[in-house]
Amino acid sequence: KNQVEQSPQSLIILEGKNCTLQCNYTVSPFSNLRWYKQDTGRGPVSLTIMTFSENTKSNGRYTATLDADTKQSSLHITASQLSDSASYICVVTRGAGANNLFFGTGTRLTVIP
Amino acid sequence: NAGVTQTPKFQVLKTGQSMTLQCAQDMNHEYMSWYRQDPGMGLRLIHYSVGAGITDQGEVPNGYNVSRSTTEDFPLRLLSAAPSQTSVYFCASSYVTGNEQFFGPGTRLTVL
Repeated sequence: KNQVEQSPQSLIILEGKNCTLQCNYTVSPFSNLRWYKQDTGRGPVSLTIMTFSENTKSNGRYTATLDADTKQSSLHITASQLSDSASYICVVTRGAGANNLFFGTGTRLTVIP
Repeated sequence: NAGVTQTPKFQVLKTGQSMTLQCAQDMNHEYMSWYRQDPGMGLRLIHYSVGAGITDQGEVPNGYNVSRSTTEDFPLRLLSAAPSQTSVYFCASSYVTGNEQFFGPGTRLTVL
């Protein structure tokens, strides 16, 4: 069964600290994996995309990793800011076809001063 | 570019009423889709379209209809609203399926 699981469900950290969010998937065949950031009351916005051959990709203070062998991805946030408070959603694309996106339920991150 | 726009932003309906949620994009994207987002369940696909005149069902299509007469517009119709349809609805578009999706701001719907 094609599934995407994220952990933790929620996380509270102090401003300036680092954190890592996890995404495990069983989607096959794998095409790519995206991390989205969703601010409260807004639609998700793409942060980064990982393809099969990529291990690490950075976008400012966000760094995503992918281990295609173990089917795990992580999103590391460095020097967190209050504006990082949001839900982070992992989305895995399966092969080809139109209905081929599998969504995680997200990690709710709260950064406190 | 306005990106993906949705109207209305908020809506309250009574059980049995019908309504249409509007979605438009100005990026000339072929692929458009509708999702609902409920607490703890993530985004679930309702209907999608791979181009004008072509629509198909997603994971949770019951109670909803869609049409795609133009590339730009993809309205979602609730035929007879039920309390189980209380949710936040997002429209999204991408150049083709599998590409980065651009989401609208969402419509928060409450059915009493």
